[in-house]
Amino acid sequence: TQLLEQSPQFLSIQEGENLTVYCNSSSVFSSLQWYRQEPGEGPVLLVTVVTGGEVKKLKRLTFQFGDARKDSSLHITAAQTGDTGLYLCAGAKPGGGNKLTFGTGTQLKVEL
Amino acid sequence: DSGVTQTPKHLITATGQRVTLRCSPRSGDLSVYWYQQSLDQGLQFLIQYYNGEERAKGNILERFSAQQFPDLHSELNLSSLELGDSALYFCASSPTTGTNKNYGYTFGSGTRLTVV
Repeated sequence: TQLLEQSPQFLSIQEGENLTVYCNSSSVFSSLQWYRQEPGEGPVLLVTVVTGGEVKKLKRLTFQFGDARKDSSLHITAAQTGDTGLYLCAGAKPGGGNKLTFGTGTQLKVEL
Repeated sequence: DSGVTQTPKHLITATGQRVTLRCSPRSGDLSVYWYQQSLDQGLQFLIQYYNGEERAKGNILERFSAQQFPDLHSELNLSSLELGDSALYFCASSPTTGTNKNYGYTFGSGTRLTVV
């Protein structure tokens, strides 16, 4: 059973376009993290959000944690070819220590 | 270099064999996590160790086992290998178990296991 569903599964866009990736669950999480993974490498942490409604910005990337702490979104403004990769959300359940459950992933391809 | 070292990077072995994957966590991190990544299943949690003790277990098969040694490095042992065990195996580390705080993971580059 996949607790965290991401959409879309695949996204192919032109450089300069905006996009939003969604991460949804019916479970409450104490925190949610976003990672980016490139071929042949392990995922790299982008951000951690812990408070319902929290918004964090990392240059052209904006992350939001849902008010009920069940969902999150990642918005990229003016995408660049360097944004290409697999984006993964990951949630830590309350009382679950630091064990993360990863989402299904969104494969993003940004072309010139 | 993330600071988490996994060896070997690639492994090709036959069905029925046994292999050991090794992970050295980032300096100062006490927790080690093992994940399996396949195309159809995504990143699946296998097991977590904290300072030498098992802390959490996921969908880890009985044919698989792991341990964390006093120097904090960890090994994942896979035995009686089947074709379906072919996947990327990742190790990650974090500073603590994060009972009151959630820490991000630092991942290694993974071991690509191919069972033929």
